[in-house]
Amino acid sequence: GAVVSQHPSWVICKSGTSVKIECRSLDFQATTMFWYRQFPKQSLMLMATSNEGSKATYEQGVEKDKFLINHASLTLSTLTVTSAHPEDSSFYICSASPLAGALSPADTQYFGPGTRLTVL
Amino acid sequence: QKEVEQDPGPLSVPEGAIVSLNCTYSNSAFQYFMWYRQYSRKGPELLMYTYSSGNKEDGRFTAQVDKSSKYISLFIRDSQPSDSATYLCAMSSGLGANNLFFGTGTRLTVIP
Repeated sequence: GAVVSQHPSWVICKSGTSVKIECRSLDFQATTMFWYRQFPKQSLMLMATSNEGSKATYEQGVEKDKFLINHASLTLSTLTVTSAHPEDSSFYICSASPLAGALSPADTQYFGPGTRLTVL
Repeated sequence: QKEVEQDPGPLSVPEGAIVSLNCTYSNSAFQYFMWYRQYSRKGPELLMYTYSSGNKEDGRFTAQVDKSSKYISLFIRDSQPSDSATYLCAMSSGLGANNLFFGTGTRLTVIP
């Protein structure tokens, strides 16, 4: 099946620093990648949608200047949390969509393993 | 009111028990109903999905959708310790991720 990887799986940083998280589709080309945030005991919340070669589309309430997304190739998207603060501590999950015209949810998106960010 | 409501649990059952997981929703436009399984510190994986109303069975798992009640269920028969995970329901009116709504997830532990 389609595999999506994330790196790093776990990162601790100091408040005020920036952290970059990578999301890669390993065995398919992803026309679209999605970034989610999951706080403990809460739902996955979509942060932004990124298409290769174009600017990301952010969901309402997500600061685009704080969460920089770059989708430079069909297999790589990066999320940079700039000037991180303790309230940014969360589980960040990406997903990748291999097809432009999915026929079912099984084709729509594949999730990465997530990155746990802790900001001290 | 949240779009999707799910009891976060936790839920503990003995091995072999039948597990019932449920979600309710408020948006009548939802057509796709998914169940994801998420192991600790891992991303979600799609377990099952149904389109519109009805039942779907896959091995020990059965998904049910009752659109009239805006209520969906996932049943796990003969539960195994390996079923211990968080189960998230998700719903959408289409196939795009930007209209995919997740429940909070129910943490399930199957005790040997």
